[in-house]
Amino acid sequence: EVQLVESGGGLVKPGGSLRVSCAASGFSFSGSSMNWVRQAPGKGLEWVSSISYTGSYIDYADSVKGRFTISRDNAKNSLYLEMNSLRAEDTAVYYCATDRHSSSSHYFDHWGQGTLVTVSS
Amino acid sequence: DIQMTQSPSSLSASVGDRVTITCRASQTISSYLSWYQQRPGKAPKLLIYAASTLQSGVPSRFSGTGSGTDFTLTISGLQPEDYATYSCQQSYTSPWTFGQGTKVEIK
Repeated sequence: EVQLVESGGGLVKPGGSLRVSCAASGFSFSGSSMNWVRQAPGKGLEWVSSISYTGSYIDYADSVKGRFTISRDNAKNSLYLEMNSLRAEDTAVYYCATDRHSSSSHYFDHWGQGTLVTVSS
Repeated sequence: DIQMTQSPSSLSASVGDRVTITCRASQTISSYLSWYQQRPGKAPKLLIYAASTLQSGVPSRFSGTGSGTDFTLTISGLQPEDYATYSCQQSYTSPWTFGQGTKVEIK
């Protein structure tokens, strides 16, 4: 059974930093591209960042580019999101999600339960 | 960026009703369209990918159609567990964008 367990969320002041993690099990993590997706309270889903299975390809939403860094440790089956210069608008539940990509389809098929990041003074 | 617009934003329906949700992309996305279900306080769950392919384990009352810019999600025979928010997502070109969601409520 695929399991994705996020951790590391919490309360942080504006301008502060936080690292959230995603522990993966039940599938070939080292063979899977991964994503971070967030959801602000009462709002819709927003894609944040993607990383290829080797870590050689990385992509970010403009809203976090230059402030957030995605990384992975395939030996530990773990995905990370380092968040710096946090703003109130970064307050959200952060989900990790697996990425399935072929020549004719692309989708996020498994999601973790999410971890809440609150940016407030 | 490709904008995804869903309609309606919310709807009320009774158990057994047929429900249709529409998603429109601001430019063509071929069939790179997925639908997700999200119950309150829970993570999104993939229902349909490639516009019309049912994810394994998803009940057959869910179906998806469309290509290009216009897509629909249909629930044929609404069940109590289907009351949730449904979101579409394009995965044709980065940044991957979602619709604002459609909340399906009990009538």
